[in-house]
Amino acid sequence: EVQLVESGGGLVQPGGSLRLSCAASGFTFSNYWMHWVRQAPGKGLVWVSRLSSDGSNIVYADSVKGRFTISRDNAKNTVYLQMNSLRAEDTAVYYCATWGWSRGYWGQGTLVTVSS
Amino acid sequence: DIVMTQTPLSSPVTLGQPASISCNSSQSLVHSDGNTYLSWLQQRPGQPPRLLIYKISNRFSGVPDRFSGSGAGTDFTLKISRVEPEDVGVYYCMQAAQFPLTFGRGTKVEIK
Repeated sequence: EVQLVESGGGLVQPGGSLRLSCAASGFTFSNYWMHWVRQAPGKGLVWVSRLSSDGSNIVYADSVKGRFTISRDNAKNTVYLQMNSLRAEDTAVYYCATWGWSRGYWGQGTLVTVSS
Repeated sequence: DIVMTQTPLSSPVTLGQPASISCNSSQSLVHSDGNTYLSWLQQRPGQPPRLLIYKISNRFSGVPDRFSGSGAGTDFTLKISRVEPEDVGVYYCMQAAQFPLTFGRGTKVEIK
């Protein structure tokens, strides 16, 4: 069974940091490019970042550039999102996702709340 | 950024009847590699998104064949041939032709 399981969300004060993890299983993780997408409460989907299969090619949304860092450990089948200088507008459910070769997978998401 | 515009925002449908959602992009989604990177996603209430369609008309593995996609260039359509109760939710189009990837605002499909 394919699974993407996010963790690491929680309540953090403005200016604080969090590190999200997404553990993958059930497919060849090292072949897939990985994305983070977020969804503010009651709102639509917003793409955050993408990382190539070998970790060499990274793209960020302008809204998080310079504050967020995406990385992966193919030995652990895990992708990360380091989030620094968090703002209230970063409050959202964060999903990891991937697609390719007619298969697409999303995790259940982890909630990040930025509030004092 | 490419703006994705979906219509309608809400679609009340009768069970067993068809439903159709339109998506228009502010720029062509034809990539330099010749592919058109337009996808459709479904989000059931309280659930994460699920990928339905990629490259306009290709179903992801496990997606029922009552879902179909069509279109070209900047205009695309998702059709559900016969709506079933489990199809209730919000449907999003997404472009991956250019960074940043962008989504439509979503179309809510509900049962009349």
